[in-house]
Amino acid sequence: GAVVSQHPSRVICKSGTSVKIECRSLDFQATTMFWYRQFPKQSLMLMATSNEGSKATYEQGVEKDKFLINHASLTLSTLTVTSAHPEDSSFYICSARDAPPGAANYGYTFGSGTRLTVV
Amino acid sequence: EDQVTQSPEALRLQEGESSSLNCSYTVSGLRGLFWYRQDPGKGPEFLFTLYSAGEEKEKERLKATLTKKESFLHITAPKPEDSATYLCAVRTTMDSSYKLIFGSGTRLLVRP
Repeated sequence: GAVVSQHPSRVICKSGTSVKIECRSLDFQATTMFWYRQFPKQSLMLMATSNEGSKATYEQGVEKDKFLINHASLTLSTLTVTSAHPEDSSFYICSARDAPPGAANYGYTFGSGTRLTVV
Repeated sequence: EDQVTQSPEALRLQEGESSSLNCSYTVSGLRGLFWYRQDPGKGPEFLFTLYSAGEEKEKERLKATLTKKESFLHITAPKPEDSATYLCAVRTTMDSSYKLIFGSGTRLLVRP
C-alpha cells in the first residue's frame, strides 16, 4: 500500500530558530499533500494544502510567513517553521492523496507525525 | 456549513463488549467518508472509505456502514489492542481542493 515517510519524528529547537519537516511519498506520486497540526486530545487541524509546482493554499488564521511550505517534486513536501516560539510546539502531521488527478476513488495516506518542542 | 460530528467523545469497553461509534455529517454533497485509527504519538492509519449510502466494509473486528446522514463504526468483541482514537473525515463534492473535514474523534479504551 501507499507509504508516506515523515522526518524527523521528534525535534527540539531553541526559540527563534527554524525547523524543517519533510514529508515523502515513497511508492507513489503525490500531486497534493496536506499539513496538519494536532494539539493533545484534539483532532487534526488543517494548516495548508500544497500542490506540486505551485504555491500552497493556507487555511484561515495560519501565518504563511511562519509556516513555509514547499512542494517542489511529486514525492516531497516540506514544512518549515520559521522563528519558532514555544507556542508553536505541537504535533505536525502530513498526508498525501494517493491517486492521480481525476481518479474517482482514492485515499489519503498519513505520515507518522513530528513532535516539535520549542524551548 | 459543512460539519462532521463524532460521538461519543470517549468510550470504555470491557474486552469482548461490542459497541458502535457514530459519525454524523452535514455536507453539501458527500464525495467520500473516511475512517482512520490513530494511536498516541502516531499519524492516522487508514481503515475504510465509504462512498454511497448503503455501503458497508469490514476488516477483522471492525465494520463500517454509511447512510445519507451518518456512518457507524461497529466493533465486535473488541480486544485491548483496539484501544485508540478513531477519526472520521469527509470529502465534499463542492470542494475541488481535495481537503478532508475531520470530526473530533472518539477515544476508545478496551479493558482486559
